[in-house]
Amino acid sequence: ILNVEQSPQSLHVQEGDSTNFTCSFPSSNFYALHWYRWETAKSPEALFVMTLNGDEKKKGRISATLNTKEGYSYLYIKGSQPEDSATYLCACRSGGTSYGKLTFGQGTILTVHP
Amino acid sequence: EAGVTQFPSHSVIEKGQTVTLRCDPISGHDNLYWYRRVMGKEIKFLLHFVKESKQDESGMPNNRFLAERTGGTYSTLKVQPAELEDSGVYFCASSQFRGGNTEAFFGQGTRLTVV
Repeated sequence: ILNVEQSPQSLHVQEGDSTNFTCSFPSSNFYALHWYRWETAKSPEALFVMTLNGDEKKKGRISATLNTKEGYSYLYIKGSQPEDSATYLCACRSGGTSYGKLTFGQGTILTVHP
Repeated sequence: EAGVTQFPSHSVIEKGQTVTLRCDPISGHDNLYWYRRVMGKEIKFLLHFVKESKQDESGMPNNRFLAERTGGTYSTLKVQPAELEDSGVYFCASSQFRGGNTEAFFGQGTRLTVV
């Protein structure tokens, strides 16, 4: 059974603060790590897909790193804005016969206060 | 290009009734997935189609759930008869490929409430 854990469960920050969340996953049989941004009643929006140990990706003020050997990924948001408020989901794709499916963590709910 | 679309966006039904959810994937995407998020918990995999074939249905909770993808285009997920614990948000996703760094695109979900 693949367990993906995210921390913290929720986070409240002030506008302009920088913040980061963690996603932990089993390092064995790892294939890919996905980050999504999800606002309720909308489609989860793909942020990053990472596969290689040491990968770092950036999209505007958001960036992510990946450590496949120890089984974790960090998502960073620099200078948080109220519009960044959302649930941030990470999901792991493992190898094997079911390597199409994603296993999700519970998500980190971010609230950015003006 | 249209994204993944799901219908309906909301459904409220009584226990014992039948509900059918529909998903239209992105055109040309052979891989179609169904997921479910029960309130307060993580999004969980239900099943995966490659074209019209079920590749992996290991996440289907029980035989009250039936998924089809006739012709390899849109898919339906039928719950019959619905139970209270079936309430949640049902997501559909599609991707062109299934391995490597393939991105999976999600629909907005169908919020199902069984009362």
